[in-house]
Amino acid sequence: ELKVEQNPLFLSMQEGKNYTIYCNYSTTSDRLYWYRQDPGKSLESLFVLLSNGAVKQEGRLMASLDTKARLSTLHITAAVHDLSATYFCAVDIGGSQGNLIFGKGTKLSVKP
Amino acid sequence: GAVVSQHPSRVICKSGTSVKIECRSLDFQATTMFWYRQFPKKSLMLMATSNEGSKATYEQGVEKDKFLINHASLTLSTLTVTSAHPEDSSFYICSADPYGTLYEQYFGPGTRLTVT
Repeated sequence: ELKVEQNPLFLSMQEGKNYTIYCNYSTTSDRLYWYRQDPGKSLESLFVLLSNGAVKQEGRLMASLDTKARLSTLHITAAVHDLSATYFCAVDIGGSQGNLIFGKGTKLSVKP
Repeated sequence: GAVVSQHPSRVICKSGTSVKIECRSLDFQATTMFWYRQFPKKSLMLMATSNEGSKATYEQGVEKDKFLINHASLTLSTLTVTSAHPEDSSFYICSADPYGTLYEQYFGPGTRLTVT
């Protein structure tokens, strides 16, 4: 059974600090996605990582993928309150359909 | 581009009734759409893959007779929750792949279903 594990599940951090969210998965995959979800809202796509060693950055967020280690990271630099949300990683399990298996999500709270 | 809409955004229905949720791709055609459900403070679980012109593919443990999926056109998929029960109350989210290359899925805004 494919498992996608995120940690931490809850993260409270102060503005200006840095932190990393980890996403481990248990099967071979070369497609990994990061999404943001605000309360009561749907998912907003943040990053699409398609190959080993892929690194993408957008603003204060940077995502990377190590397919050999089956690990993706989402690094937050100098956090601001607006980043407070739940972040999900999702792994494409392949096949003919784009089936995504989601991690449990990391609820990030950035405090002033 | 790549906008996915859902209707309704919120619905309340009584136990035993059926409710239909629509998922539309507004500016692209999607031969495949996906339906997820999300319980409060939980992650998303794939329910089924909706295929235009053919039967949906359901994930293990999802009752196909309870969650009827119809992908009638290249821009519309519907999920009908039949004989709804309170435990069906959830946030239902659809997604579509605008490029047909499995590159990325775009998610609809979700439908919050409450069964009383």
